[in-house]
Amino acid sequence: SQELEQSPQSLIVQEGKNLTINCTSSKTLYGLYWYKQKYGEGLIFLMMLQKGGEEKSHEKITAKLDEKKQQSSLHITASQPSHAGIYLCGADSSGTYKYIFGTGTRLKVLA
Amino acid sequence: NAGVMQNPRHLVRRRGQEAGLRCSPMKGHSHVYWYRQLPEEGLKFMVYLQKENIIDESGMPKERFSAEFPKEGPSILRIQQVVRGDSAAYFCASSPPGFYEQYFGPGTRLTVT
Repeated sequence: SQELEQSPQSLIVQEGKNLTINCTSSKTLYGLYWYKQKYGEGLIFLMMLQKGGEEKSHEKITAKLDEKKQQSSLHITASQPSHAGIYLCGADSSGTYKYIFGTGTRLKVLA
Repeated sequence: NAGVMQNPRHLVRRRGQEAGLRCSPMKGHSHVYWYRQLPEEGLKFMVYLQKENIIDESGMPKERFSAEFPKEGPSILRIQQVVRGDSAAYFCASSPPGFYEQYFGPGTRLTVT
């Protein structure tokens, strides 16, 4: 079965610093989704990547998909305390509707 | 356009009781998915439903768990005779027909005492 591994598991950065979170799949990625989770607020959809080499940005967050490496990265520029939370990558398992998720990266941003 | 609604947000049940979790999908979404997040674990797929149909329940425990999505009203995930191991956050997601992009609700946190 397909698995997603995220790294690092946790990250503490100073406000204003850049950071990168990686998500590596054990199998071919058909679609890769990034979500942010805060306690009590569920999952907030950030962006979806479907094509190799695709790159999307939203405000200060950029995500890329490297299809050959079966990997995606999420990059935050000039981090702010509002970026704190748990970042989850999810993927369509074998191109179906079943999402599988990584175990998440806990981000803390120090003011 | 309201997002995916789940209630209750927190639910406490004693062992042996029944738990009913409700999910109202986003307007225009006819596909509902349930996921479970156990403490310190990732989200796991449980079941995929369309109106009046269970499409895939391969992630559901074989016993005590059931799900429905009636023609009218919210989707309901029922857990009978809850045990402590059922304590988790249960998330519902919805999507419109033909799209894989799923939008998640805030979750219901079930605590079994």
